[in-house]
Amino acid sequence: GAVVSQHPSRVICKSGTSVKIECRSLDFQATTMFWYRQFPKKSLMLMATSNEGSKATYEQGVEKDKFLINHASLTLSTLTVTSAHPEDSSFYICSARDLAESSYNEQFFGPGTRLTVL
Amino acid sequence: AQSVTQLGSHVSVSEGALVLLRCNYSSSVPPYLFWYVQYPNQGLQLLLKYTSAATLVKGINGFEAEFKKSETSFHLTKPSAHMSDAAEYFCAVSDFGSGNTPLVFGKGTRLSVIA
Repeated sequence: GAVVSQHPSRVICKSGTSVKIECRSLDFQATTMFWYRQFPKKSLMLMATSNEGSKATYEQGVEKDKFLINHASLTLSTLTVTSAHPEDSSFYICSARDLAESSYNEQFFGPGTRLTVL
Repeated sequence: AQSVTQLGSHVSVSEGALVLLRCNYSSSVPPYLFWYVQYPNQGLQLLLKYTSAATLVKGINGFEAEFKKSETSFHLTKPSAHMSDAAEYFCAVSDFGSGNTPLVFGKGTRLSVIA
C-alpha cells in the first residue's frame, strides 16, 4: 500500500515551453501533497504544500506564477513549470500524506521526475 | 523552527562493517523522526520512523535507529553493510501538528560500500 506515482519520469523540453508533472496516490487518499525540488547531490527543497480543493502554499523564494500547482482531487496533484528555462532543470519529487494515516506525519514519495530544459 | 543535522556528507565503509549514520535534531519536544533512503534517480523510500512508541526502532533492510532524547539524536545503524546499501540517506523531522506540517530534511549522507 501507500504507493505514489509520478508521470512522466523523465522529460526533455525546449526553453520557453511548459511542462506538466502529475503526482498520484494510487491506493490511498491524500488531502495534502508536497512538491520538492532536488539539485544534484543535494537535499530536497520544499517548494510548496498542495491541499485538495484549495490554493497551494508556496515556500519563500518559489515563484507561484512559474510553478503552478493544482490539487483537484484526493489522488492527484499537478505541477506545471511554465515557460521553462535551463535553470529549471532539476529532479522534482512529490509526496503525499495518507488521509487515514496522517497521525505521524509520514509522507510517501513518488519516484521523481527528471526535467531537462534545453 | 525544526532543523536536522546530518554529520558527514559522505561515509565510506567496507562490506560487512558496521554502518553508522548520524542525525541530530533541534527540538525541545520529541518530534516524529524518519530515515529515508534514495537510490540514484529515484524517489525516497522510508527506512524507519520514530513515533514515540519505542526508542529503538527497527526498519527495513536490517537498519535500526535509536532515539536518544538527552542527546537529541536519532542515529541510523546496520551491523553489516552490503554493497546494495550504497545510496543517499536522509534524516527528517516533523513536529506534531496537522497534515500540512512538512518534513524538514537533513542535507543527506552518501553511503559508499567498498568490497
